[in-house]
Amino acid sequence: KAGVTQTPRYLIKTRGQQVTLSCSPISGHRSVSWYQQTPGQGLQFLFEYFSETQRNKGNFPGRFSGRQFSNSRSEMNVSTLELGDSALYLCASSFTARGSGANVLTFGAGSRLTVL
Amino acid sequence: TQLLEQSPQFLSIQEGENLTVYCNSSSVFSSLQWYRQEPGEGPVLLVTVVTGGEVKKLKRLTFQFGDARKDSSLHITAAQPGDTGLYLCAGSPGSARQLTFGSGTQLTVLP
Repeated sequence: KAGVTQTPRYLIKTRGQQVTLSCSPISGHRSVSWYQQTPGQGLQFLFEYFSETQRNKGNFPGRFSGRQFSNSRSEMNVSTLELGDSALYLCASSFTARGSGANVLTFGAGSRLTVL
Repeated sequence: TQLLEQSPQFLSIQEGENLTVYCNSSSVFSSLQWYRQEPGEGPVLLVTVVTGGEVKKLKRLTFQFGDARKDSSLHITAAQPGDTGLYLCAGSPGSARQLTFGSGTQLTVLP
């Protein structure tokens, strides 16, 4: 099975611009979650999509948005970029483990965004 | 304040030493997971612990879930340079579905 694929891996933007990141989950996985990782805050949950619907949302401003397509691929968008948006953005596809019911995540390698 | 507090934040040890990383919370978790992240990669799941008091072993790694399901520990025996990485605990408190991650422990094992 191919893993979770994120594109682009690296990008540099300037303040005020917008950015779109893409994530292709593991084949057959219908749930996609997005996380922001920074040295100061660690991994922070952005949102989760399941069957093209946003199922959960973290505590981020409305500049952060996402969507999921019918093939489960997902995109996230950040508008009006700020310096503080510089981070590693991680996408994970997930399934619910039988028995434990735990939400098990498989992460992509991430998209590293630098805002200048 | 982080929902999941990990300690220590940084750990640098010599090859062959033992170490323990802690993950603590005031909340009860139905399960806790441990991930390891290497530079340039996303976190990779190591283990899921579900039952209070549960102990799971993965080669030289031993994971324990506290009896009250509020804390967990990761013990590494005879650490090797290949164990170097960021260790993260994660869980879903209460009925929440999304995973909340701890702040992480950056482990460096020197040869």
